[in-house]
Amino acid sequence: DAGVIQSPRHEVTEMGQEVTLRCKPISGHDYLFWYRQTMMRGLELLIYFNNNVPIDDSGMPEDRFSAKMPNASFSTLKIQPSEPRDSAVYFCASSPRRIYGYTFGSGTRLTVV
Amino acid sequence: TQLLEQSPQFLSIQEGENLTVYCNSSSVFSSLQWYRQEPGEGPVLLVTVVTGGEVKKLKRLTFQFGDARKDSSLHITAAQPGDTGLYLCAGQYSGNTPLVFGKGTRLSVIA
Repeated sequence: DAGVIQSPRHEVTEMGQEVTLRCKPISGHDYLFWYRQTMMRGLELLIYFNNNVPIDDSGMPEDRFSAKMPNASFSTLKIQPSEPRDSAVYFCASSPRRIYGYTFGSGTRLTVV
Repeated sequence: TQLLEQSPQFLSIQEGENLTVYCNSSSVFSSLQWYRQEPGEGPVLLVTVVTGGEVKKLKRLTFQFGDARKDSSLHITAAQPGDTGLYLCAGQYSGNTPLVFGKGTRLSVIA
């Protein structure tokens, strides 16, 4: 089992550019979560999916953020346009059911200059 | 508003010492989990507790869920440098809600 796979590991982009983060969850996990981690705010939930359907996107900070899950093995988080305050580590996690531990990917460290 | 408060924020101890870190909330959780995160990696699940008063042991780590299911503690006996990392607690209000994380306790164990 390869675990949750995120790409890229690091992304440096200029303000105003579009950024796309990718995630491949563990096969058979019905839940997928996107979190953002900063020193100031810790881990914050952005959005989560159940069986590829977005359930709660209330954590998405602004309309500049969007997420999709076109199939059970792939999800994207897009920021357009990016801003310096979006700089953080973005994690994807998956889980086989609601009351269960999450398996996290290694994260994408995003720096917007 | 931080729903889960962890203390202390930072802890630096010598190898062999014992320590306890805390996770507190004013809310009741249906379950609570502890994760450890190492630099450059995602959090890794250590334990899940679901019953008020529950105690679970994982080698030198002892986890306790408060009777009222509003707080939890993690006790490490004879800490080792390999225990160094960020310890995160995460709570679930009900079976239908995702995990809410505390900001963590950053532990450094010095050889």
